[in-house]
Amino acid sequence: QKEVEQDPGPLSVPEGAIVSLNCTYSNSAFQYFMWYRQYSRKGPELLMYTYSSGNKEDGRFTAQVDKSSKYISLFIRDSQPSDSATYLCALGVSARQLTFGSGTQLTVLP
Amino acid sequence: DVKVTQSSRYLVKRTGEKVFLECVQDMDHENMFWYRQDPGLGLRLIYFSYDVKMKEKGDIPEGYSVSREKKERFSLILESASTNQTSMYLCASSFRTGGNQPQHFGDGTRLSIL
Repeated sequence: QKEVEQDPGPLSVPEGAIVSLNCTYSNSAFQYFMWYRQYSRKGPELLMYTYSSGNKEDGRFTAQVDKSSKYISLFIRDSQPSDSATYLCALGVSARQLTFGSGTQLTVLP
Repeated sequence: DVKVTQSSRYLVKRTGEKVFLECVQDMDHENMFWYRQDPGLGLRLIYFSYDVKMKEKGDIPEGYSVSREKKERFSLILESASTNQTSMYLCASSFRTGGNQPQHFGDGTRLSIL
């Protein structure tokens, strides 16, 4: 069993939809939780970062962490075609050593 | 803004060649990392360095070595390239102090070994 499981998709939604992206994990020692966005032919860029259970909001993006269920989510409200990318979850015991999910490919259709 | 620059976007080499991938960051970060990214496998850590001349093996170090002679530069070396090292290689950097500093990535080098 992988330490971090992420549905690879692909996921296709219409513009304006609410998108939910998820990762589950098995290592209860993880305490840093990140979401990266990766556009085609580019490196991952940090989108959201949290180290506690609960919700963190930044504009149209909300990151949710449920440590008791070992489950993290990223919600995108009012999705735009510019949100089309691969989304990677990254979890770590320390921020120095991260375990990445395999990524979910998202397409937002205009 | 953090800038992590990888010297080549695309590289084609032959089996058995010695290959150098270079990475430079401009934010005075102590930590630097090399990953490879393959479809369905996500990012896997090859090596990381937390200071000049210091290095630690990641999850898949076999067939690779690294060099960090200056704080801003971290090199990945494929001693004798093989076809199974065809991949996207990503460099990242982060601050060491504070304990929870996120990693910032370059745009990657897509390496093909023929």
